[in-house]
Amino acid sequence: DAGVIQSPRHEVTEMGQEVTLRCKPISGHNSLFWYRQTMMRGLELLIYFNNNVPIDDSGMPEDRFSAKMPNASFSTLKIQPSEPRDSAVYFCASSPHPWPPTDTQYFGPGTRLTVL
Amino acid sequence: QKEVEQDPGPLSVPEGAIVSLNCTYSNSAFQYFMWYRQYSRKGPELLMYTYSSGNKEDGRFTAQVDKSSKYISLFIRDSQPSDSATYLCAMSLYNQGGKLIFGQGTELSVKP
Repeated sequence: DAGVIQSPRHEVTEMGQEVTLRCKPISGHNSLFWYRQTMMRGLELLIYFNNNVPIDDSGMPEDRFSAKMPNASFSTLKIQPSEPRDSAVYFCASSPHPWPPTDTQYFGPGTRLTVL
Repeated sequence: QKEVEQDPGPLSVPEGAIVSLNCTYSNSAFQYFMWYRQYSRKGPELLMYTYSSGNKEDGRFTAQVDKSSKYISLFIRDSQPSDSATYLCAMSLYNQGGKLIFGQGTELSVKP
């Protein structure tokens, strides 16, 4: 099993540019999560999907952020326009089921985003 | 005030020491409590979980939940250099599915 796959692993862009982060969850997992990790704020849940449907997007910081899951094997997180304060490590995680919450969430290696 | 508070450390101990990692929380409705371990430049991985109050032991690791004090702990016995990582506590409500609230993480270094 390849685990959760994220691309790119590193992204450096300039303020105002559009950024698209990609995630392939583990095959057969029904839940997908997008997190952001910074030194100041720690690990924060941005949005999660169950069976490709967004369930909770209350963590999405503002309208500049959007996420889609067109099918069970692919999801994107888009930032448009990007700002320096968006610089962080973005993790995608997947889980067999959203319940119970102790069901392991398998994290990808993360995308390190730097917005200049 | 954050819902989950965790001292970021760093915490440095000699090999073989007993390590105590802690989190406090403000929402008394949290029912599920988890500890994730994150190695440098990797994603977090689930280490242990408990439901409601009580203790759970797994090898050298023991997780404790004290709901009356809104306090959870992770103890590591006979710590090893391979335990050097950041440890994040996470919590969830009964009715919010997979939504986890994480602490900031404590960076642990075990010196040989």
